[in-house]
Amino acid sequence: DQQVKQNSPSLSVQEGRISILNCDYTNSMFDYFLWYKKYPAEGPTFLISISSIKDKNEDGRFTVFLNKSAKHLSLHIVPSQPGDSAVYFCAASSTGTSYGKLTFGQGTILTVHP
Amino acid sequence: EAGVAQSPRYKIIEKRQSVAFWCNPISGHATLYWYQQILGQGPKLLIQFQNNGVVDDSQLPKDRFSAERLKGVDSTLKIQPAKLEDSAVYLCASSLGGRGVSSYNEQFFGPGTRLTVL
Repeated sequence: DQQVKQNSPSLSVQEGRISILNCDYTNSMFDYFLWYKKYPAEGPTFLISISSIKDKNEDGRFTVFLNKSAKHLSLHIVPSQPGDSAVYFCAASSTGTSYGKLTFGQGTILTVHP
Repeated sequence: EAGVAQSPRYKIIEKRQSVAFWCNPISGHATLYWYQQILGQGPKLLIQFQNNGVVDDSQLPKDRFSAERLKGVDSTLKIQPAKLEDSAVYLCASSLGGRGVSSYNEQFFGPGTRLTVL
């Protein structure tokens, strides 16, 4: 039962353009969402998060959008840089019932070409 | 600030052997997590500790996996006996674990231990 899904295994973007990574979830109890970035041979690093009381959160070049009715979130990276090439994981938690239990998607490999 | 430390980085064993992984979380982080990441999948939570008590071990295969967190700091994860399907990267993470959703959910990960079971 895949409660968090990232349906695009990979995405290729030109430097300077926008990268849009998508994530869908099925569990309506999820109310906190995060994006993690992972380079080869390293652990995931926290990128940005959003609570279900918001529909947008911005941090520099990174913006996360949440559409609760569609159970969909997306990560926008503008402008994309070659150093952004990594695997991006979407994660979700239900803060009311299980603190810190993150459910991860399968990941999307982002490649930004110079 | 030192990050989450894990050892070993790589381990190759034969099936039915036992193996142990070690994790040292960020100083002051009350919550510690062990995840299993199989190739092509996202990390899956195995066990969560709050200080030295277990908060969630619902996805830990308890017939072969065990974990402990001594004195609420370092932790070890053991597999005995290992199966072929245990081949994965084992990630340790920690978080502040205090009040507020971000203190639990914004987790800091170590580099992981890549386990290959032959």
